[in-house]
Amino acid sequence: GEDVEQSLFLSVREGDSSVINCTYTDSSSTYLYWYKQEPGAGLQLLTYIFSNMDMKQDQRLTVLLNKKDKHLSLRIADTQTGDSAIYFCAESGNNAGNMLTFGGGTRLMVKP
Amino acid sequence: KAGVTQTPRYLIKTRGQQVTLSCSPISGHRSVSWYQQTPGQGLQFLFEYFSETQRNKGNFPGRFSGRQFSNSRSEMNVSTLELGDSALYLCASSFDSNNEQFFGPGTRLTVL
Repeated sequence: GEDVEQSLFLSVREGDSSVINCTYTDSSSTYLYWYKQEPGAGLQLLTYIFSNMDMKQDQRLTVLLNKKDKHLSLRIADTQTGDSAIYFCAESGNNAGNMLTFGGGTRLMVKP
Repeated sequence: KAGVTQTPRYLIKTRGQQVTLSCSPISGHRSVSWYQQTPGQGLQFLFEYFSETQRNKGNFPGRFSGRQFSNSRSEMNVSTLELGDSALYLCASSFDSNNEQFFGPGTRLTVL
């Protein structure tokens, strides 16, 4: 079945850029998403990208998609302590309706 | 516009009991999806309802069921609870297929 992989942990200093990586296996993925989860909370949609795009920028967030390598990344510029959270990438296949397959999540720790 | 709401937020049950969780989607959204989040298995898709019909189903036993009402509100039911059913149950709503999905805060179920 489809699989989405992420590294478990990332630590950065406040003000630096963070890059969170994700790989997926489903070649029919049409949409790829990044969600943020803070302790005790649900998932907050940060951004998403269509599979026919290479890049999407939204304020401090930049998403890069390498469809050939099935690699997705989320760059957070000028990382703040409030960005500390778990970040999940997710993909939805072409015929899956709204079924999302999630990665295991990357815990981002921002040190002051 | 109000977000996705889930009730109750916390629930404690004992093995063998059954439980019903409720989700109210964002106004105008017709699709409701349910996910189970556990430390061991991560985020896993349970099922999706659209216009009162189950459109997708994940790989969960028949003890897990759901339904959607004409106002798009959805309920999920778990019968004969097991310890392993302890999890955060998240509901997400979207307008239609492959649209942005917005998550509620979740219901944390503890089975003793």
